Amino acid sequence: EDQVTQSPEALRLQEGESSSLNCSYTVSGLRGLFWYRQDPGKGPEFLFTLYSAGEEKEKERLKATLTKKESFLHITAPKPEDSATYLCAVRRGSNTGKLIFGQGTTLQVKP
Amino acid sequence: EAGVTQFPSHSVIEKGQTVTLRCDPISGHDNLYWYRRVMGKEIKFLLHFVKESKQDESGMPNNRFLAERTGGTYSTLKVQPAELEDSGVYFCASSPLALAETQYFGPGTRLLVL
Repeated sequence: EDQVTQSPEALRLQEGESSSLNCSYTVSGLRGLFWYRQDPGKGPEFLFTLYSAGEEKEKERLKATLTKKESFLHITAPKPEDSATYLCAVRRGSNTGKLIFGQGTTLQVKP
Repeated sequence: EAGVTQFPSHSVIEKGQTVTLRCDPISGHDNLYWYRRVMGKEIKFLLHFVKESKQDESGMPNNRFLAERTGGTYSTLKVQPAELEDSGVYFCASSPLALAETQYFGPGTRLLVL
């Protein structure tokens, strides 16, 4: 069965304290792993798509990496405005665009 | 470029009533998706339209839910009759024709069934 597990569920950091969020997945025929950011009361906002093991993408203080079993979202020197819930989702190889989401990691960055 | 829009933003109804949610995708996006997040759970897929056709409706919970996309533009999701367990946040997303494309999400409709 396709499954996505994110850890930790919640993470509290001091401003400037770098860390990583984990997304472990089990899916038949991965056709993309997606990272989204979600602020309270809003919809998920797209961050990155990764397609194959070894791929890396960066955007400002965020860097996403992918292996055959998991993905990491590295946050370097976070700021309070990085506080949000970070969602990981996978799409399997089929003729549907269905995304399978993890439960998310809620990040709080204190000044 | 306007993003995905959803209406209403909030809806409070009583058990047994009917509610219709609307989604306007990004202009030119042929793929339209509905997802739902119930309290304490992850976001779950409901269904996928390609233009006006249902490509995958494997996530629809039961026959009280009816989704339409007339003309391949906006979509509606009707819940009739609503039950308490239907409460949650309903998200719509859209993407260009290629399935590998990124899905862009709307702000969601928060539904509370009393």
